[in-house]
Amino acid sequence: EAGVAQSPRYKIIEKRQSVAFWCNPISGHATLYWYQQILGQGPKLLIQFQNNGVVDDSQLPKDRFSAERLKGVDSTLKIQPAKLEDSAVYLCASSTIQGLNTGELFFGEGSRLTVL
Amino acid sequence: KQEVTQIPAALSVPEGENLVLNCSFTDSAIYNLQWFRQDPGKGLTSLLLIQSSQREQTSGRLNASLDKSSGRSTLYIAASQPGDSATYLCAVRNTGGFKTIFGAGTRLFVKA
Repeated sequence: EAGVAQSPRYKIIEKRQSVAFWCNPISGHATLYWYQQILGQGPKLLIQFQNNGVVDDSQLPKDRFSAERLKGVDSTLKIQPAKLEDSAVYLCASSTIQGLNTGELFFGEGSRLTVL
Repeated sequence: KQEVTQIPAALSVPEGENLVLNCSFTDSAIYNLQWFRQDPGKGLTSLLLIQSSQREQTSGRLNASLDKSSGRSTLYIAASQPGDSATYLCAVRNTGGFKTIFGAGTRLFVKA
């Protein structure tokens, strides 16, 4: 079974530029998450989708971050314009629907962003 | 609001030692608790998942326990090896809102 796929693995941009990250969850997983992990910290939830609807985006900086999951499968996270403090690893995770299964989270390898 | 704390933040032990990593959470209304391992520059690998109705889970040299009433979980690693060196993260999934909140992790270094 294929795991969570993310790309690109690494990205270096200058501040005020834009960047996009892509995630393809495990097949059949209805729930998709984007986390931001700053060096030395635990992952922080940015946005959670159930199918193609947003469940929680309370910690997404909506003035510069956006995310979509149009067909309820893969997802894109965009940052525009980037700031220095956006330097982090962006992790995508997926799980089955809570209540029907264990709700175990599976993560991709992450996309490491460096903003200069 | 759920908060997850992991103690200690870092730990260095000699090879062969048994050790315990701690995770505490403020809201006992959880759906499950999951322990992850993260190697430098890598994503998170799931180690153990404990459902809210369970008390513990075991996998090889790892044993995780859950005490919802006290808001605590422990990850026990038996006979530690240098290959166990990594950051260990605890994640709590709430029943309401389906959010999963992470602790900051414990960085473990096992010396040969």
